[in-house]
Amino acid sequence: EAAVTQSPRSKVAVTGGKVTLSCHQTNNHDYMYWYRQDTGHGLRLIHYSYVADSTEKGDIPDGYKASRPSQENFSLILELASLSQTAVYFCASSGDRGYAEQFFGPGTRLTVL
Amino acid sequence: GEQVEQRPPHLSVREGDSAFITCTYTDPNSYYFFWYKQEPGASLQLLMKVFSSTEINEGQGFTVLLNKKDKRLSLNLTAAHPGDSAAYFCAVRATSSGQKLVFGQGTILKVYL
Repeated sequence: EAAVTQSPRSKVAVTGGKVTLSCHQTNNHDYMYWYRQDTGHGLRLIHYSYVADSTEKGDIPDGYKASRPSQENFSLILELASLSQTAVYFCASSGDRGYAEQFFGPGTRLTVL
Repeated sequence: GEQVEQRPPHLSVREGDSAFITCTYTDPNSYYFFWYKQEPGASLQLLMKVFSSTEINEGQGFTVLLNKKDKRLSLNLTAAHPGDSAAYFCAVRATSSGQKLVFGQGTILKVYL
């Protein structure tokens, strides 16, 4: 069965600190995505990648970096965490066909204090 | 780019009644549509995906309607039960956006006894 895992599942960070969120998929999918979820905003795309060693900016990339060292792994990096980055972060993966749905990980709850 | 508006943001229905959620989108080249369900504290799970040539799709306890003329996608939960209480998100894929999905803001549904 398709699987996307995320670590950590929750994290408390201090303002100005560095945070790395990790995502691993065993779906053999080319595409991976990072979203943040805030109440009233649904899911907003931060970064995505369609091949290892390459990342693309999504709709809200400011303050975030991404890294795709392999097909299976995709990380989201907050170099200088800020209060406004408190949110739930979801990773997803998908195939490359138009009908391909995205499979989501369990989410990471990040609190920046 | 594509914009998706989902209504209502909150919905409360009695057990056995129907719950109707609607998304309107802007890009006429949108061609694949998805409904996801997110139970409290959990990740997103795919409910159904529909292709632009399909108007009505029926699942277990729900119907998805697609009106291409009005650029409207709807989810109708028939005979709702407490287990349907969750957040529901529509998502739209357009040819202009590649594999990216644009999500609606979500509807929080509560089914009471």
